[in-house]
Parts: sequence; C-alpha cells; structure tokens
Amino acid sequence: DSGVTQTPKHLITATGQRVTLRCSPRSGDLSVYWYQQSLDQGLQFLIQYYNGEERAKGNILERFSAQQFPDLHSELNLSSLELGDSALYFCASSVTSGEGETQYFGPGTRLLVL
Amino acid sequence: GENVEQHPSTLSVQEGDSAVIKCTYSDSASNYFPWYKQELGKRPQLIIDIRSNVGEKKDQRIAVTLNKTAKHFSLHITETQPEDSAVYFCPGVTDKLIFGTGTRLQVFP
Repeated sequence: DSGVTQTPKHLITATGQRVTLRCSPRSGDLSVYWYQQSLDQGLQFLIQYYNGEERAKGNILERFSAQQFPDLHSELNLSSLELGDSALYFCASSVTSGEGETQYFGPGTRLLVL
Repeated sequence: GENVEQHPSTLSVQEGDSAVIKCTYSDSASNYFPWYKQELGKRPQLIIDIRSNVGEKKDQRIAVTLNKTAKHFSLHITETQPEDSAVYFCPGVTDKLIFGTGTRLQVFP
C-alpha cells in the first residue's frame, strides 16, 4: 500500500457524460500527478499540482481539468466523455516537486465509457 | 524534455535466467535514473533508482548500471522468478516523469 488513495475504483458511464475522479496523496506529500494509461498509449502524464497550484501540464485534453484543494487532495474532471477516454487513471504523489523524487502511485480508477 | 528510449519492448525468459532492459537517454545533464515496475492490473512502483554519481546499484536480485559516456542505463534482474513478470519503465526525468510503453517481461516457469 503506497498511502495514496483513489476513488472510485471503477466507473462505468456513457458518452457525453462527466465524471470526477478523486485522489488523496500520502500524508505530507505536496505534489499530485495525474496519469492516463490505455492499452496502446502506455502511461501518459496529464497534469501536476504542487501545494494547490498547477505546476506542469502534459497531454491533457481541454475537456479534462483538475484541481488540488487546500487539504491537498485532488480531483480530475473528465467531461463530454468519448469512447476513447476509457482507460486506467492513476494519481501519484511526491513530497515536493523536485526532480529525482519518488512518485507513489495510487491503485487507479478504471473508467469505462460506453 | 528528456527523451528516453527503452529496449526491448517485450522480453521472455525462462525462470532462473537473467533479464536485461536497456534505456538510452539524450540529455547529458540528466542525473537521476529511476526504474518502475507495474504488475498486471496494479499500480507502478519504484523498484530501484540510481544517481549520476554512481555507476551501479544493487538490491538483492535487481541492479541498475549507468554508463554516462554512452548515455545509457540498464536494469538487470538475476535468477528471474514468475513474480518478476510485469511491465518495467525507465521514465525520462525532467520536472515530471515521462513514461513510455515500457518493457513487458514474461518469466516462464
């Protein structure tokens, strides 16, 4: 157990809908990272937050947004869902945001868009 | 950002044999080289890492070697076991980790 929690574990929804994925980092970690993992695309970095502020952006679609709250938990919002958004979504956390820091991953949320 | 190439994309070995996965990087200023392991359906986990001031690091059956001149680093797994079957990643490191598709290792009993 990494200490990072994610809810829900599974999510099934329909195209066009909106969902929210939640992540609680390890106690004391200030950075949260979101990743998308699909079969053909590997593990893709979406976005990073550090102490409530957006720190880095990756291949995140405009239909997706995220935020980190004062208690450091983070939410990833996915809207206007498409079939291709079906994937495993991981969040990870680290103590700060420095290079060379270990990232601790949560168990993931498996999203299925029908 | 740091561009890292990982080879091979798949690797099959017999239980007890060794496995080697190699990553080549482009930025000579890189100084941190982690390896993550992801078992099927589970989360990625850091298994070993190395910094540029050392050439090799070992932890039981796994080791990482770094060749700064050639700009590559390798993961070595000795006496492989079925539970070593997983996808292994050597993410590029900038201000974030850039994962690729990794190496799928299968260890056959």
